[in-house]
Amino acid sequence: DSGVTQTPKHLITATGQRVTLRCSPRSGDLSVYWYQQSLDQGLQFLIQYYNGEERAKGNILERFSAQQFPDLHSELNLSSLELGDSALYFCASSLRQGAGTGELFFGEGSRLTVL
Amino acid sequence: DQQVKQNSPSLSVQEGRISILNCDYTNSMFDYFLWYKKYPAEGPTFLISISSIKDKNEDGRFTVFLNKSAKHLSLHIVPSQPGDSAVYFCAASAPAGANNLFFGTGTRLTVIP
Repeated sequence: DSGVTQTPKHLITATGQRVTLRCSPRSGDLSVYWYQQSLDQGLQFLIQYYNGEERAKGNILERFSAQQFPDLHSELNLSSLELGDSALYFCASSLRQGAGTGELFFGEGSRLTVL
Repeated sequence: DQQVKQNSPSLSVQEGRISILNCDYTNSMFDYFLWYKKYPAEGPTFLISISSIKDKNEDGRFTVFLNKSAKHLSLHIVPSQPGDSAVYFCAASAPAGANNLFFGTGTRLTVIP
């Protein structure tokens, strides 16, 4: 158990809809990262927050947005969903701002299926 | 553009033998490399890392080798155990401490008892 909690674990929805994925980081961790893993792809970095502020952006679509709340949990909002958005979405947390030298603690992921 | 590549989607090894998982990268600015292991229905977990100033890092049965000139790293597991069966992801960052990790597509290791 990494200590990172993601909900929901599975989500099936239709094209054009909007969903929200939630992540609670490990106790004490200030950084939250969101990654997307599509079929046969590596984990693609979407966005990072540190203590409530956006710190880095990766290949995140304009239809997607995220935020980190004062209690440090984070939500990833996906709107106008397309079939290609079907993927496993991972949240990870770390104590420090940087991901490079410190290990990230990953949640179990939220599997999104868009029909 | 996949900057970190794991060209072998899968690998099968007999229990007790050596497992060698390979990873290539294209970005010469990468200076810190990590391996993560992932079991089904779980998130990836950190396994071992290496800084670009080193060419080898060892932790028990796991050793990572880095060849900067070839932009290549490998993970050696000796001896392999059935519990090592998992998907292994290679990751890199530039610079070390950066906010983003670039991941490979993973190699599924199966250790046969």
